[in-house]
Amino acid sequence: SQTIHQWPATLVQPVGSPLSLECTVEGTSNPNLYWYRQAAGRGLQLLFYSVGIGQISSEVPQNLSASRPQDRQFILSSKKLLLSDSGFYLCAWSPLWILNEQFFGPGTRLTVL
Amino acid sequence: SQQGEEDPQALSIQEGENATMNCSYKTSINNLQWYRQNSGRGLVHLILIRSNEREKHSGRLRVTLDTSKKSSSLLITASRAADTASYFCATDSGSGGSNYKLTFGKGTLLTVNP
Repeated sequence: SQTIHQWPATLVQPVGSPLSLECTVEGTSNPNLYWYRQAAGRGLQLLFYSVGIGQISSEVPQNLSASRPQDRQFILSSKKLLLSDSGFYLCAWSPLWILNEQFFGPGTRLTVL
Repeated sequence: SQQGEEDPQALSIQEGENATMNCSYKTSINNLQWYRQNSGRGLVHLILIRSNEREKHSGRLRVTLDTSKKSSSLLITASRAADTASYFCATDSGSGGSNYKLTFGKGTLLTVNP
């Protein structure tokens, strides 16, 4: 069966510090991978998605970047965090070429102080 | 941009009652999905309805789709306190093989009181 992992679960970082959030998927190959951000009480905002290694599509210009160094690894990064980067970050995957349901990780709660 | 918009934003009912949530969208879709999110957790897929389907059932869930009105509804029958969560609709409006995105609404917060 497939599983998706995210870490860390919670993170408190000062403004201006770097960020690295990691997402890994097990039990499947060539998944589509997604990063979403959810502000408090709001819906999901798609940040990045990837259909293959090294292939990243950015949805919203911002202070963040994403990379996919391996087939089942997706990393969200920032060189210098802003207060507005605070939120709940969710990673998800779906089978390649078939957009049916997306499977979400448990999320990372990021607080930038 | 926000494709799906849920209505109401919040809904509070008593255990045993039915809960109905609505979703409206703007552009034509391939399919529409409903997800559930417990507080502070990831989303869980509930049900998918394709654009050529009008109604679908899964356990206590019933989803309808009206493509002429660009709207969908999610009905949860005989609600339980454990159904308390946020519910999101998501639309897939991609064409060809180049669009793999879902667009999520802002969600309906359902509270089921015991």
